[in-house]
Amino acid sequence: DVKVTQSSRYLVKRTGEKVFLECVQDMDHENMFWYRQDPGLGLRLIYFSYDVKMKEKGDIPEGYSVSREKKERFSLILESASTNQTSMYLCASLPAEFTDTQYFGPGTRLTVL
Amino acid sequence: AQSVSQHNHHVILSEAASLELGCNYSYGGTVNLFWYVQYPGQHLQLLLKYFSGDPLVKGIKGFEAEFIKSKFSFNLRKPSVQWSDTAEYFCAVNANNAGNMLTFGGGTRLMVKP
Repeated sequence: DVKVTQSSRYLVKRTGEKVFLECVQDMDHENMFWYRQDPGLGLRLIYFSYDVKMKEKGDIPEGYSVSREKKERFSLILESASTNQTSMYLCASLPAEFTDTQYFGPGTRLTVL
Repeated sequence: AQSVSQHNHHVILSEAASLELGCNYSYGGTVNLFWYVQYPGQHLQLLLKYFSGDPLVKGIKGFEAEFIKSKFSFNLRKPSVQWSDTAEYFCAVNANNAGNMLTFGGGTRLMVKP
């Protein structure tokens, strides 16, 4: 079974703090994704990566950056957290060929005070 | 950019009732279509998918979905729901011009009353 893990299930941070969300997958997938999930809005793509050190902006990249130094790890960074970044953050991974589903992690619920 | 609409945000049914959740997308080209489910406190997981072939797709737990290209729809159905189907359901579309990106609908929260 593919396993996607996220470093924290719950996180509380203060406005202006730098926040790191970590995601690790164990299936050697080339593609990894970061989404945020908000009620009524579904999942919105923040960034994705199709290879080590490669990244592409998704639909809502403002206020976020990412890092992929190793194939199995994809980090989401909030340089200066704001209250409107309070959300559930989901990581996903996908093999190179889009003939399969994305595999999702358990999510990190981030609250910014 | 493509968009995905799920018209029902909240659905409440009694056990044994039939379910149909609507999903429409905006892209006119070739698409791959998915329904995901998120049970309370659990990961998002795949319910079913359509890539090609028979437009009536059967998934896990008795769910099915029908791809109607002319209507840009991929509605989810189950003939008889159970209390354990209480969850949030998401439709997602991958358009062939979007690489590996998925666009999700806003989700439908289903509550099944015992």
